[in-house]
Amino acid sequence: RKEVEQDPGPFNVPEGATVAFNCTYSNSASQSFFWYRQDCRKEPKLLMSVYSSGNEDGRFTAQLNRASQYISLLIRDSKLSDSATYLCVPRSGANNLFFGTGTRLTVIP
Amino acid sequence: DTEVTQTPKHLVMGMTNKKSLKCEQHMGHRAMYWYKQKAKKPPELMFVYSYEKLSINESVPSRFSPECPNSSLLNLHLHALQPEDSALYLCASSQDSGEVGGYTFGSGTRLTVV
Repeated sequence: RKEVEQDPGPFNVPEGATVAFNCTYSNSASQSFFWYRQDCRKEPKLLMSVYSSGNEDGRFTAQLNRASQYISLLIRDSKLSDSATYLCVPRSGANNLFFGTGTRLTVIP
Repeated sequence: DTEVTQTPKHLVMGMTNKKSLKCEQHMGHRAMYWYKQKAKKPPELMFVYSYEKLSINESVPSRFSPECPNSSLLNLHLHALQPEDSALYLCASSQDSGEVGGYTFGSGTRLTVV
């Protein structure tokens, strides 16, 4: 089983839609979790950190289910600027982030 | 200063060249990282420095040689690379070696080996 698994998509959604991505991880010892967004040919940028059951920041909500070992990211009222690849990243061990393959989102006018 | 700065942004080098990538941060972070990212793939960890000591080498070929001169700087020395080494090389830093906190990434060096 891969360390981190994500649906690669692509997800094509209209502006204003709500979209959710799931991510499963294999290391049950992971303590902290992150969602990064990466625009084409740019570096990953931290979107949200999750240390307990979840986190909410404006239109973005992350939920953590430790029993099932998955993390979700919900985006409400999608904007064109949300188009990017979203990377799920559990922190496993002291010095390592394992990146999922990413989910590609395109928001359509 | 909440940035990680990488230079150069673009680099084209021949297979016999020697070049270096540079990374700098002034956030007081004590862990620094090199990642390699190929097109349409996630970043892959290469090296981790924690408190200026190499703590992880993910079986990277010796043609890549990291160096951490001080807590703010991280270099990656390149020698005798292959065309398949062409990729985006990302530097990142984090506060410490604990479990809390994400990484801050630099904008990367896009390397082409010809």
